[in-house]
Amino acid sequence: QVQLQESGPGLVKPSETLSLTCVVSGDSITSSFHHWWSWVRQPPGKGLEWLGEIHHSGTTNYKPSLKSRVTMSVDTSNNQVSLTLSSVTAADTALYYCARGSFYKWESWGQGTLVTVSS
Amino acid sequence: QSALTQPASVSGSPGQSITISCTGTSSDIGNYKYVSWYQRHPGKAPKLLLYDVSYWPSGVSNRFSGSKSGNTAFLTISGLQAEDEADYYCSSYASDTTYVFGTGTKVTVL
Repeated sequence: QVQLQESGPGLVKPSETLSLTCVVSGDSITSSFHHWWSWVRQPPGKGLEWLGEIHHSGTTNYKPSLKSRVTMSVDTSNNQVSLTLSSVTAADTALYYCARGSFYKWESWGQGTLVTVSS
Repeated sequence: QSALTQPASVSGSPGQSITISCTGTSSDIGNYKYVSWYQRHPGKAPKLLLYDVSYWPSGVSNRFSGSKSGNTAFLTISGLQAEDEADYYCSSYASDTTYVFGTGTKVTVL
């Protein structure tokens, strides 16, 4: 059974760059052509927000409103995916999840990691 | 690309059925059959309940069912149980290889 574990700094200063990693275990990131790796976040008191996705080939799809600040990458050697979000503000404070998706759904999710943007 | 609209809360007694709505637009729910539903208990990872509007992943109870009409999708929980108390989120594929989630619904079992 695949497991996903997000990690990163819990606190980021405004205007800086947020960087998170999702380590995948129990399966290879490249095991299926149909798998896409998404980042989803939930700000306090709000709903889930899809940020984007990456395929192990490196192909990405980002939420249009975040496209200028988001970068996702894949490290097949270490079986992990990463998210960077630049120029963060308090509005980027959220619980960040990584999830494995295929065919328009997400079957496996990490537990999430909380990121607070504050000086 | 706005969030899909869900009621903030829905409640029911054990054994009853409840329905959660998820309203989008003709650019997402109304145009695609790719609606999925997720259950999330506090402190836990979201769990896929339904995909492609009404299909169950392996291991999910058939007490959960889904449907769609126009720009609105529905999740029905039959035979409500205490363990169903959780937050529920819908999601839909939208245009240009993007996805949108719902605002979330807190289900309370009375």
